[in-house]
Amino acid sequence: EDKVVQSPLSLVVHEGDTVTLNCSYEVTNFRSLLWYKQEKKAPTFLFMLTSSGIEKKSGRLSSILDKKELSSILNITATQTGDSAIYLCAAPNQAGTALIFGKGTTLSVSS
Amino acid sequence: NAGVTQTPKFRVLKTGQSMTLLCAQDMNHEYMYWYRQDPGMGLRLIHYSVGEGTTAKGEVPDGYNVSRLKKQNFLLGLESAAPSQTSVYFCASSYSPGGHEQYFGPGTRLTVT
Repeated sequence: EDKVVQSPLSLVVHEGDTVTLNCSYEVTNFRSLLWYKQEKKAPTFLFMLTSSGIEKKSGRLSSILDKKELSSILNITATQTGDSAIYLCAAPNQAGTALIFGKGTTLSVSS
Repeated sequence: NAGVTQTPKFRVLKTGQSMTLLCAQDMNHEYMYWYRQDPGMGLRLIHYSVGEGTTAKGEVPDGYNVSRLKKQNFLLGLESAAPSQTSVYFCASSYSPGGHEQYFGPGTRLTVT
């Protein structure tokens, strides 16, 4: 059965800290891995990683795919209170018809 | 472009009542999805559609039905609501299958008493 597992489930840090969120996957016929950020409402897309694009960066956020370890990390440097959110990791199912989401990591950044 | 819209935003139902949630997208996407989100559970796929007139079951389809009569609309129905269906429901769409970015609607918060 395809699955995506995220850790930790929750995390509390101080503003300015650097955090690393983890995502491991067991998916037959792996295609890609996606990261989303969810604040009060709908998830918004952050990154998509594939075999041909294993590292992505946008400002203070960066993500790496480790195909050997079947995992990915999302790094956030110099955290700000606005980074407080649920971070979701997802991968397409075996048939490639839908995304399988992990349970998410709830990040709280205190000032 | 409105993107993905959902109606209603909030709803309270009594056990046994029925209702339909409407999702509309204006991006001409083929693929549409319905998820539910419960605390600590992430997003779980209820049903999805790979094109007009087609639907398929996801991870948690029991108690729900869907229809995709028009490409831009994807309806989620609850025939006889149960308290276990209290959740936040998200609709999403994408231009290609699950391996690509999905665009999400703002969500519908449903409470069943």
